[in-house]
Amino acid sequence: DIVLTQTPLSSPVTLGQPASISCKSSQSLVHSDGNTYLSWLQQRPGQPPRLLIYKISNRFSGVPDRFSGSGAGTDFTLKISKVEVEDVGVYYCMQATQLYTFGQGTKLEIK
Amino acid sequence: EVQLLESGGGVVQPGGSLRLSCAASGFTFNNYAMSWVRQAPGKGLEWVSSISATRDFSYYADSLKGRFTISRDNFKNMLYLQLNSLRADDTAVYYCAKDRVISSGRPTEFDYWGQGTLVTVSS
Repeated sequence: DIVLTQTPLSSPVTLGQPASISCKSSQSLVHSDGNTYLSWLQQRPGQPPRLLIYKISNRFSGVPDRFSGSGAGTDFTLKISKVEVEDVGVYYCMQATQLYTFGQGTKLEIK
Repeated sequence: EVQLLESGGGVVQPGGSLRLSCAASGFTFNNYAMSWVRQAPGKGLEWVSSISATRDFSYYADSLKGRFTISRDNFKNMLYLQLNSLRADDTAVYYCAKDRVISSGRPTEFDYWGQGTLVTVSS
C-alpha cells in the first residue's frame, strides 16, 4: 500500500504570510496512463473536505489562486501565498494512483 | 448545483448492521463514479469504497475484509453502503463523494462531498 507522509503536522502561520505543506509518497505516484493522481483537500472546522488541487497542480473550480501545488514522482507541495483567516483548517494530500490513500493531515492555524 | 445528502447513520450495537444512503442531485449521476470515505472522531480521512458509474466495478479498502458492500441505483440517483458485522472502530462520519470526471473506471479525484452521516457502534 502507498503511504503518504505530510509535514508539518501543525503549522502556525501569521496572517498574510506564506505557508507550505509537504507530502511524500512511499512509491512513485505516476500512473501507467502517464498522469500523477495527487490531489489536495481542505477541511475547515465542522465541514466536509473540499477539493483544492488535482493532478499535482490544477486548481479546482472556485479555488483562489493563492493556492498552488507542485511536485513530481514522490514529493509534492501545497503552497498558500498569503494566508487568510478562512484558510484555517486541516489539509490532506490524497493519492489515487493505486486505489486511495490520504496523508495524516496538516493543521493550519493562525499565530 | 451539485448536492450529496447522506442518511442512515445512527447508533448500532457491535455486530449489527446499517445501510447508508446518499441522494445525489445537480449532475448526471450515471456518468460518474462515486465513493465512500470515513472519518473517525478527531482523526483523518480513510477511503472505504468506490463504484464505477455503470456499476461494473467496485473497490474496497482491504481493512474492511468483506463486511461492507457498495451499490448504486442510477434510476433513483442514489448511492448506498451496507455495513455488516460492525465494530467499535467503524465509528465514524461517513461521507459520499463524487468523481471529478466522467469515466467508466474508478474515480481519480473526489470533487464534491456530502455533509456526512455519523455511525456510532456501541453497546
